[in-house]
Amino acid sequence: EAQVTQNPRYLITVTGKKLTVTCSQNMNHEYMSWYRQDPGLGLRQIYYSMNVEVTDKGDVPEGYKVSRKEKRNFPLILESPSPNQTSLYFCASSFESRGTEAFFGQGTRLTVV
Amino acid sequence: EDQVTQSPEALRLQEGESSSLNCSYTVSGLRGLFWYRQDPGKGPEFLFTLYSAGEEKEKERLKATLTKKESFLHITAPKPEDSATYLCAVQAGASYDKVIFGPGTSLSVIP
Repeated sequence: EAQVTQNPRYLITVTGKKLTVTCSQNMNHEYMSWYRQDPGLGLRQIYYSMNVEVTDKGDVPEGYKVSRKEKRNFPLILESPSPNQTSLYFCASSFESRGTEAFFGQGTRLTVV
Repeated sequence: EDQVTQSPEALRLQEGESSSLNCSYTVSGLRGLFWYRQDPGKGPEFLFTLYSAGEEKEKERLKATLTKKESFLHITAPKPEDSATYLCAVQAGASYDKVIFGPGTSLSVIP
């Protein structure tokens, strides 16, 4: 089954404690991206990757890091989480970057206290 | 600055009552406009991609259209299972690889 898998689904952490949210896709997609979704603000793109070792900033990259060492994986790293990063996070992948449908993961609800 | 807006913010319809959702965009060099459906607690699910003004696409009770400044998602004779948040997104501008989402329209269809 074609899917995008995120882990964990729920996470509560404390300010400053480094964390990683994993994302894996099994569709051999080139393009992957991370979004955060907040009430009233909608989905905002954090980072995206057009292929292995190629990443770029989206609209809200501050406080986040990503890496793309393998085509299937695109982890999101919060090196020093702060309460304003409390949000619902989605990973997505698509066959290519331009004009193609994206498949989304189930989401990770992160709370930073 | 590239921007996507959606209206109305929320829409409540009786079952069978047709209506339209609007997505307005101010971007340069539209590459593609996307419609997604999002159910509570789940990731968005792809519905349509539109590439150029005049284009239309249909899927069951949904029909998406595109002009140079906006897109409409027409819902014909909706059913309660059509209740969801509908998101519009664009790829455009100097960085074609970015995706910009609108805030969404929350649709409730009452039996």
